[in-house]
Amino acid sequence: DAKTTQPPSMDCAEGRAANLPCNHSTISGNEYVYWYRQIHSQGPQYIIHGLKNNETNEMASLIITEDRKSSTLILPHATLRDTAVYYCIVSGGGFKTIFGAGTRLFVKA
Amino acid sequence: DTEVTQTPKHLVMGMTNKKSLKCEQHMGHRAMYWYKQKAKKPPELMFVYSYEKLSINESVPSRFSPECPNSSLLNLHLHALQPEDSALYLCASGTSGRTTTNEQFFGPGTRLTVL
Repeated sequence: DAKTTQPPSMDCAEGRAANLPCNHSTISGNEYVYWYRQIHSQGPQYIIHGLKNNETNEMASLIITEDRKSSTLILPHATLRDTAVYYCIVSGGGFKTIFGAGTRLFVKA
Repeated sequence: DTEVTQTPKHLVMGMTNKKSLKCEQHMGHRAMYWYKQKAKKPPELMFVYSYEKLSINESVPSRFSPECPNSSLLNLHLHALQPEDSALYLCASGTSGRTTTNEQFFGPGTRLTVL
């Protein structure tokens, strides 16, 4: 599975959009991009995944570049409860899921 | 039901004890996972079961023994653990095997302390 690179931490003002980037330049054609988040002392929470097209659900939007080498997770109106570690994972649909260090997002009032 | 449950929430055990962690899901998923997470680190995959058969063992020491009695239940039997095994143990169930994607749904974890 392809490796991902994320900034270690980011800040966002409450009510503003949080844009979390992820680089996955070695992604292959059948690999999906998944995003999870982990709020302190809880289990990770699945957010969204995509292959080529942009995706949106009730939690977030996922924008994948045309060459698929990077993606951005967008939380449209961040709240204090969105403070968490966000993990971007690339996987070919098999069982193995490798978590990187993730991005620690701080949402500030 | 979109929930994965884990019991107990907290566990303290001595190095000579035998204990078990339990996980249950009712989402119809046929893949189930155990992860270990140390403080301030990402989760690390330990075991994967697919259709109740062990599919992946990430070279985990034999003092950790997984079991999948049926498609809804996953256990992790612990014996002769070391203090460095203290961690948050996470269970997940996932869509892999039924679909081409692998969304995973995690339980809240069991926080294990080995004395």
